[in-house]
Amino acid sequence: AQSVTQLGSHVSVSEGALVLLRCNYSSSVPPYLFWYVQYPNQGLQLLLKYTSAATLVKGINGFEAEFKKSETSFHLTKPSAHMSDAAEYFCAVLNTGFQKLVFGTGTRLLVSP
Amino acid sequence: DAGITQSPRHKVTETGTPVTLRCHQTENHRYMYWYRQDPGHGLRLIHYSYGVKDTDKGEVSDGYSVSRSKTEDFLLTLESATSSQTSVYFCAISERERRSEAFFGQGTRLTVV
Repeated sequence: AQSVTQLGSHVSVSEGALVLLRCNYSSSVPPYLFWYVQYPNQGLQLLLKYTSAATLVKGINGFEAEFKKSETSFHLTKPSAHMSDAAEYFCAVLNTGFQKLVFGTGTRLLVSP
Repeated sequence: DAGITQSPRHKVTETGTPVTLRCHQTENHRYMYWYRQDPGHGLRLIHYSYGVKDTDKGEVSDGYSVSRSKTEDFLLTLESATSSQTSVYFCAISERERRSEAFFGQGTRLTVV
């Protein structure tokens, strides 16, 4: 079965600094991977998705993620953090046995002035 | 935004009482899901549906049942609510294609006292 592991339940950065949120996956077949963002008291919003078309995926709000098969990773990055990026971020993998998402435990991004 | 409406948005109920949460979609998507979100656990799948009257269990289905009598509605029932079911519940929908992402509702905050 597919799974994802997010390293670090909290990540703190200063405004303008690089954002790096880590996600490693486990899958015996080429995975479909997703990053979602959740702002306080809201549902989840898709940031980006990897479906094998390109290893570097660009998403909304300046975020991007790179699929690295050799490292089984799909880390999320943004060159310069903004205060509005403060939220919780979830990595997810699509279960190949059925159309359902399996989520990581989430990483809360804190951005300080 | 995808047309997904969850009701109620907030509910407080007593231990042992039945509770039904409703998810309504206007997108005509085939797949519908119920997740619960708890600190440190991310989102965990409770039940899902792949069509009218077609449902199956997720990883945390004990104590929950679901029904889908129409494409647009997916109901989650707690037959006898317990304090461990205090959580935020999210409904999600997705299309037939395997690469497609899931769209989430705004969530229902349920407190069992």
